[in-house]
Amino acid sequence: EVQLLESGGGLVQPGGSLRLSCAASGFTFSSYAMSWVRQAPGKGLEWVSAISGSGGSTYYADSVKGRFTISRDNSMYLRMNSLRAEDTAVYFCAKGGASYSYGLHFDHWGQGTLVTVSS
Amino acid sequence: EIVLTQSPGTLSLSPGERATLSCRASQSVSSSYLAWYQQKPGQAPRLLIYAASSRATGIPDRFSGSGSGTDFTLTISRLEPEDFAVYYCQQYGSSPLFTFGPGTKVDI
Repeated sequence: EVQLLESGGGLVQPGGSLRLSCAASGFTFSSYAMSWVRQAPGKGLEWVSAISGSGGSTYYADSVKGRFTISRDNSMYLRMNSLRAEDTAVYFCAKGGASYSYGLHFDHWGQGTLVTVSS
Repeated sequence: EIVLTQSPGTLSLSPGERATLSCRASQSVSSSYLAWYQQKPGQAPRLLIYAASSRATGIPDRFSGSGSGTDFTLTISRLEPEDFAVYYCQQYGSSPLFTFGPGTKVDI
């Protein structure tokens, strides 16, 4: 059974940093691209960043480019710097559904971790 | 940048009725790159349909997807009480890599 478990969320001041983690199990982790998707309170879904199965290729939404860094080893991570109020959201990790490109869609999701950026 | 528009914003129906949800893209999208998700309050999204018309594992056959080019549809043939939720379409593309529609809420 595929399981994805996020951790690392919390309250941080504007301009601060946070590192999210996503622990994965139940599948060959290195064979699939992974993504972070966020959802601001009461809003829709927004894709944030993706990383290839090997970790050698990464992709970012314009809204976080230059501030967030995605990485992976046996887990996936999101380093978030220069945080803004508009980054407040539940952050989900999501597994690519296809074993090529960046997965095309997301067939498994974690339960999410809440990041609140406020003074 | 491909923008996805979903309509209606809210669909008010009763159990047993048919639901038809629309997702329109600002540019043509490959059918292989269009997916649908269901999200209930406080839960993560769940993949329903990928490649426009393929049901994900464990998804009941009352859910079906169709469409091509810029117009895609998610149909729920007979609504069950557990189907009342928000539904999102999503496309895979170039920039941004993934885009979600704003969602359609199906409520009673």
